[in-house]
Amino acid sequence: DVQLTQSPSPLSASVGDKVTITCRASQNINDYLAWYQQKPGMAPKLLISGASSLDSGVAPRFSGSGSGTDFTLIITSLQPEDFATYYCQQSYSSPWTFGQGTKVEIK
Amino acid sequence: QVQLVQSGAEVKKPGSSVKVSCKSSGGTFRSQTISWVRQAPGQGLEWMGRIIPVLDIANYTPKFQGRVTITADKSTSTAYMEMRSLTSDDTAVYYCAARPSNSRGDSWGQGTLVTVSS
Repeated sequence: DVQLTQSPSPLSASVGDKVTITCRASQNINDYLAWYQQKPGMAPKLLISGASSLDSGVAPRFSGSGSGTDFTLIITSLQPEDFATYYCQQSYSSPWTFGQGTKVEIK
Repeated sequence: QVQLVQSGAEVKKPGSSVKVSCKSSGGTFRSQTISWVRQAPGQGLEWMGRIIPVLDIANYTPKFQGRVTITADKSTSTAYMEMRSLTSDDTAVYYCAARPSNSRGDSWGQGTLVTVSS
């Protein structure tokens, strides 16, 4: 199985900060990497698919990059509604797997 | 945009079974990939398995192979996840997620809380 390791976990930040979350795969997954945001009591929400494609309606302060084994999610200016847990997911090989999650907390 | 509506919360006894439904609208159900993911209290996301309705083929994470069955009814655009031999460790929110054939990301249902308690 492909293991996904996210860092840091957790992450403390302030409104307006630039936040970077990384996701490292245990083997090559090309660009079959998605990022999700989850708030307490809610279902995950797709932010980015194909490593770098912003989903419809997602704020442009979110961006994703990477290919192969190393991927990054960047939030350029953290907003109050961005405090949440973020997960990466690979769908290159079955079983699909998730990273352990990165909780973005208020500093 | 695909929308998914799941069945309501369930309370089950240890050793029993549960079947959760997931009705899809707004997309082409036959060509979607429907996954099931669970989240135990305070924990992360755990992918369980998937089905592609047009192929009627499901595959599973080894952990759930033999205890979970994922099916799809193309006539009603509804997917199902059945889990047998429940234990308290199966207490979790169960999500379905749908991926169109031209996408690499999922839309999610609202989740179904399954509580296993004697």
